[in-house]
Amino acid sequence: GAGVSQSPRYKVAKRGQDVALRCDPISGHVSLFWYQQALGQGPEFLTYFQNEAQLDKSGLPSDRFFAERPEGSVSTLKIQRTQQEDSAVYLCASRPGLSLDETQYFGPGTRLLVL
Amino acid sequence: RKEVEQDPGPFNVPEGATVAFNCTYSNSASQSFFWYRQDCRKEPKLLMSVYSSGNEDGRFTAQLNRASQYISLLIRDSKLSDSATYLCVVSIMDSNYQLIWGAGTKLIIKP
Repeated sequence: GAGVSQSPRYKVAKRGQDVALRCDPISGHVSLFWYQQALGQGPEFLTYFQNEAQLDKSGLPSDRFFAERPEGSVSTLKIQRTQQEDSAVYLCASRPGLSLDETQYFGPGTRLLVL
Repeated sequence: RKEVEQDPGPFNVPEGATVAFNCTYSNSASQSFFWYRQDCRKEPKLLMSVYSSGNEDGRFTAQLNRASQYISLLIRDSKLSDSATYLCVVSIMDSNYQLIWGAGTKLIIKP
């Protein structure tokens, strides 16, 4: 079956530009996560959705970051007025249910470079 | 102090050797522990969960030491394909979704 997909795979933005990153989770997965991974670091939690509900957005770095999952499937992470420090890999992961013991399945990530 | 700390490496190990690395965590109330593997420019993939009694999956053995707050990963008979970054992941108390990720230990298996 299809895994988690993300698009675009690569994005180059000029500083100040808005970007939108898309995540298609595995069909039927209840939980969806967004992470930010800087070079040489582990993923940093950004936000968590349970179906369409955004239960935690505590990891979003600033109010320029916004995420949604309106129908409980596809999710979009939007970054407004991008800054150079936003350059990173943005990973999306989904999980079948609500248990920590379940595997999180990651997409390939979107590599964002802000110039 | 970081919540999850790992030696970044790289560990350069000859093929066929045994290698082990540890990860320390700061939150004594953490309940769930995992090792993920991440290949260069790829996404993380679950290698194994870590159980209190320790667990083994083929050539891989994971151990948890709650008293000293560390988990370990042992790889026996290492293969070239084991070359990757190994990420230690720890849960946050009372959360069924938030995980804290270490920065990873890079392993290079040499022929």
